[in-house]
Amino acid sequence: AQKVTQAQTEISVVEKEDVTLDCVYETRDTTYYLFWYKQPPSGELVFLIRRNSFDEQNEISGRYSWNFQKSTSSFNFTITASQVVDSAVYFCALSEVPGGGADGLTFGKGTHLIIQP
Amino acid sequence: EADIYQTPRYLVIGTGKKITLECSQTMGHDKMYWYQQDPGMELHLIHYSYGVNSTEKGDLSSESTVSRIRTEHFPLTLESARPSHTSQYLCASSEFGGSGEQFFGPGTRLTVL
Repeated sequence: AQKVTQAQTEISVVEKEDVTLDCVYETRDTTYYLFWYKQPPSGELVFLIRRNSFDEQNEISGRYSWNFQKSTSSFNFTITASQVVDSAVYFCALSEVPGGGADGLTFGKGTHLIIQP
Repeated sequence: EADIYQTPRYLVIGTGKKITLECSQTMGHDKMYWYQQDPGMELHLIHYSYGVNSTEKGDLSSESTVSRIRTEHFPLTLESARPSHTSQYLCASSEFGGSGEQFFGPGTRLTVL
């Protein structure tokens, strides 16, 4: 069965520091998709990125970057020069089946990121 | 941009009342989901649907019920609200054959007194 582990329950850094959120996943499938979502205090879940298992290229989007390593089953998320607006809960998720399996995405428990001014 | 809507955004209600949380999407997605989440905590899948007239229970047992009479509409009903139902409820949808990406609504924060 698939599983997503976000070992960091809470991270607190000072503004402008770089911060990395860890995500480790377990799956028996060779084809799967990984996601990161952001949940600000307002409560909605905001999609950040999707990666399929055949694409191990790292991705950068502004201050955000993602490091996908199949060898270690990890999909880590780094925020460079963090800002207060980055404060949120971040969820990593896995989908084994294209279109989602019977129960869709498997979510990690989330990492609460606090950026202090 | 995702077009999935939930109403109400906030609801405070007394014990024993019947409530319905609305969720609608305009993307034509066949699959829809309901998650229950305590603030800042993990998401628990409570219901999902593959399409019209399809409803399934999720990983977390819930006293709520759902219906799917139309593709775009997936309401959740609590026949008799209790304080233990106080939580945030998130609705999501996804398409068949895609990556599994789910589009989320803004959520309903329910408080039962």
